[in-house]
Amino acid sequence: EVQLVESGGGLVQPGRSLRLSCAASGFTFDDYAMHWVRQAPGKGLEWVSGISWNSGAIAYADSVKGRFTISRDNAKNSLHLQMNNLRVDDTALYYCARGGADWMFDYWGQGTLVTVSS
Amino acid sequence: QSALTQPRSVSGSPGQSVTISCTGTSSDVGGYNYVTWYQQHPGKPPKALIYDVNERPSGVPERFSGSKSGNTASLTISGLQAEDEADYYCCSYAGTYTWGVFGGGTKLTVL
Repeated sequence: EVQLVESGGGLVQPGRSLRLSCAASGFTFDDYAMHWVRQAPGKGLEWVSGISWNSGAIAYADSVKGRFTISRDNAKNSLHLQMNNLRVDDTALYYCARGGADWMFDYWGQGTLVTVSS
Repeated sequence: QSALTQPRSVSGSPGQSVTISCTGTSSDVGGYNYVTWYQQHPGKPPKALIYDVNERPSGVPERFSGSKSGNTASLTISGLQAEDEADYYCCSYAGTYTWGVFGGGTKLTVL
């Protein structure tokens, strides 16, 4: 059974940093691209960042470019999102999602909540 | 990259059909056949319903179908059921530098 479990969320002040992690199991991790998608409270989904199976291709939404860094450790079946210089509008539930066939997020975690507030 | 445009809400009665539109540009929806649709119930993560414009992942009922014309993609739900009441999001591949963009979401109410 495919499982994605996010961790690392919490309450942080504006300008500070936070590192999210996603532990993957139930599939061959290094066969798939992985993504972070976020959802602000009561709002819609926003694609944040994605990374190819071998970290050779990485992309970010304009809203986080230069502040967030995605990475993966295929030996440990884990995905990470380093978030620096956090802003109030980064407050959201952050989902880890597997990149399935073509452009589809076929499995999602339950999310980890990041709250940026002073 | 601007979000794709979806109607904020649609509604229909059980057994009826509804269609949700998703309008982008030639840089996303119109430029690639990589449009996906997701269903999200309150408090749950999204679930993929359609990928590659009109393909269904295994386990998704045939009453969910997708299409695209120009810069607008559409999701049609036939034979509406009470459990279809949820939020629906489209998502498109948007190129090499910013891979993805979502629509703002559509709330479906089953009357």
